[in-house]
Amino acid sequence: GAGVSQSPRYKVAKRGQDVALRCDPISGHVSLFWYQQALGQGPEFLTYFQNEAQLDKSGLPSDRFFAERPEGSVSTLKIQRTQQEDSAVYLCASSLWRGSYNEQFFGPGTRLTVL
Amino acid sequence: SQQGEEDPQALSIQEGENATMNCSYKTSINNLQWYRQNSGRGLVHLILIRSNEREKHSGRLRVTLDTSKKSSSLLITASRAADTASYFCATVFQGGSEKLVFGKGTKLTVNP
Repeated sequence: GAGVSQSPRYKVAKRGQDVALRCDPISGHVSLFWYQQALGQGPEFLTYFQNEAQLDKSGLPSDRFFAERPEGSVSTLKIQRTQQEDSAVYLCASSLWRGSYNEQFFGPGTRLTVL
Repeated sequence: SQQGEEDPQALSIQEGENATMNCSYKTSINNLQWYRQNSGRGLVHLILIRSNEREKHSGRLRVTLDTSKKSSSLLITASRAADTASYFCATVFQGGSEKLVFGKGTKLTVNP
């Protein structure tokens, strides 16, 4: 079956532009996560949904970052007024059930470059 | 900020040798997971060990967990060139949300 997909795979934005990154989780997966990975670093947590409810957004770096999952399936991460420090790979992951013992399945990521 | 540190940061070995990577973390955990990342396949889950477990095996992988020392190790036996990748440990906090907190990773190169 299909895994987690993300689009676009690559995005180049001029500083100040708004961007929207899309994540299609594995069908039926309850939990959805967004992570940010800077070059040479491990992924860092941004936010987490259980169905359509955003249960944890403690990792969002500023109020320019906004995520939604209105129907409990597809999710969009929006970054307003992009800055150079936003350049990173944005990873989406989903897991089947709620609970901490579940494997997270990661998408290929969207590489964002802000010029 | 990241929870822990992997050690070493980089490791280069010959095919057939064993590779050991270590991970330390700072706070009490619910479980610890190891992931592999390479450019071809993205981030892939390898193994999960719960806080009440001490050792776990999966194929050529062996993971140990020492909660008193807040550390874990990943052993890959009889390494292959295809094992070349970055390896990350990730923890789930006790009493926290389901989010994973990753270390900085160990870059493993297996030379044919």
